[in-house]
Amino acid sequence: DAGITQSPRHKVTETGTPVTLRCHQTENHRYMYWYRQDPGHGLRLIHYSYGVKDTDKGEVSDGYSVSRSKTEDFLLTLESATSSQTSVYFCAISPGSSYNEQFFGPGTRLTVL
Amino acid sequence: SQKIEQNSEALNIQEGKTATLTCNYTNYSPAYLQWYRQDPGRGPVFLLLIRENEKEKRKERLKVTFDTTLKQSLFHITASQPADSATYLCALDAAGTASKLTFGTGTRLQVTL
Repeated sequence: DAGITQSPRHKVTETGTPVTLRCHQTENHRYMYWYRQDPGHGLRLIHYSYGVKDTDKGEVSDGYSVSRSKTEDFLLTLESATSSQTSVYFCAISPGSSYNEQFFGPGTRLTVL
Repeated sequence: SQKIEQNSEALNIQEGKTATLTCNYTNYSPAYLQWYRQDPGRGPVFLLLIRENEKEKRKERLKVTFDTTLKQSLFHITASQPADSATYLCALDAAGTASKLTFGTGTRLQVTL
C-alpha cells in the first residue's frame, strides 16, 4: 500500500468518547488526506494537509479535527464521537497537488455505539 | 450543485467481453479525471488519469475516454477476467483547487466465467 499505514485498523467506541486515528507514511509525500466512506455516499474528503502544520477542511469536516506535526504523520481526531461517525476511514497521500494520483491506506473501520 | 454520477447498479459481464463503465458529472469544469479500483475491505488503487485536453488514454487492457462537452468519461476493460471484478471509482479535481478530488460512488463490476 505504497508505504502508508493506518492505526488502529478496527475500533469500537462509545458515543461521547474522543477518538484519534493515525496515518503514517514512509514516502515523504507532501499531501495527506482523510476520507470517510459510507454506502451510498462514496468517498468524502474530511480534511487534508499540504505540509507540516498546514491543513484545510474538506467536504465533511464538522466534528473532526486534524494535526500534522511531522511530514510522515497525519492524525484525525473525533473530539466527541457520535453514531453518525461510524464509517470506514481512509488516509491517502500524494506527492503533489496537480495531476497526481493518490495512494490510499488500508482503512480503519470505526464503530460508534 | 456539483454532482458525479456512476451507475449504482452492479455491472455483470461474461469473461472475455468488454466492460464499459460510465462517469457523468454536472456543474464541474475538471482539469482532469481519475479512475480507481477498490476491492472489498481495501483502499482504492489508482488506475488511470486523463486530462481535459486528452480524448483517450490507454493502459494495457484499460481505456478511458473523456468528453468535456458531454461531461462524461467512459472506462473500458477489454478481454475482461474474473480478477477484474471490483468496484471502480471515478474522481475529479474539485473546481479550482487542484489538490482535492471528489469521488463518485463507484460501480461494482462482476466478471463471470
